[in-house]
Amino acid sequence: DIQMTQSPSSLSASVGDRVTITCQASQDISNYLNWYQQKPGKAPKLLIYDASNLETGVPSRFSGSGSGTDFTFTISSLQPEDIATYYCQQYDNLPQVTFGPGTKVDIK
Amino acid sequence: EVQLVESGGGLVQPGGSLRLSCAASGFTFSSYEMNWVRQAPGKGLEWVSYISSSGSTIYYADSVKGRFTISRDNAKNSLYLQMNSLRAEDTAVYYCARASYSSGRYYFDYWGQGTLVTVSS
Repeated sequence: DIQMTQSPSSLSASVGDRVTITCQASQDISNYLNWYQQKPGKAPKLLIYDASNLETGVPSRFSGSGSGTDFTFTISSLQPEDIATYYCQQYDNLPQVTFGPGTKVDIK
Repeated sequence: EVQLVESGGGLVQPGGSLRLSCAASGFTFSSYEMNWVRQAPGKGLEWVSYISSSGSTIYYADSVKGRFTISRDNAKNSLYLQMNSLRAEDTAVYYCARASYSSGRYYFDYWGQGTLVTVSS
């Protein structure tokens, strides 16, 4: 099974800060990685697919990069509405996907 | 507008059973693969089960294999999860999620609001 790790598990940043989250796969997954945002009490929402492609309607301050085993998710300028938990998801072994443990982002 | 609405959650004793439903609307349900994903209180997301658009291909997470059964009724635009031999560790919010797959891309683009299953005596 492919295991996913994320770091940090939580972070606190100021409005306008650049925020970076990393996601690592236990084996090469090419670019088969998505990023989701989950706000408290809500369902997850797709932000990034295929490691670096922005889902339609998602603000351009969100971006993703990486391939193989190491991936990065960035918020270029943190906004109050970005308070959420962010999850990576691998789909190299379809249809059995795996989510990372999540990174909780809040405002300092 | 795409909508997925789960129902059927509730409180059940250990060893009991529950059947979750997910009513789909706003898209051609029979054309899409579907999944169940759960989230234990305060925890992360865990994929539970997958069913192909026709219902002919099914997969389960090891944690639920042999106890849960996924099914769908394309005529009723509905997805189901029959959960038997429930354990305390099955306590979670259960989401149905639509999978989109094209040109090698695969992601869950629509999710329901979730239904809470609590397994406790």
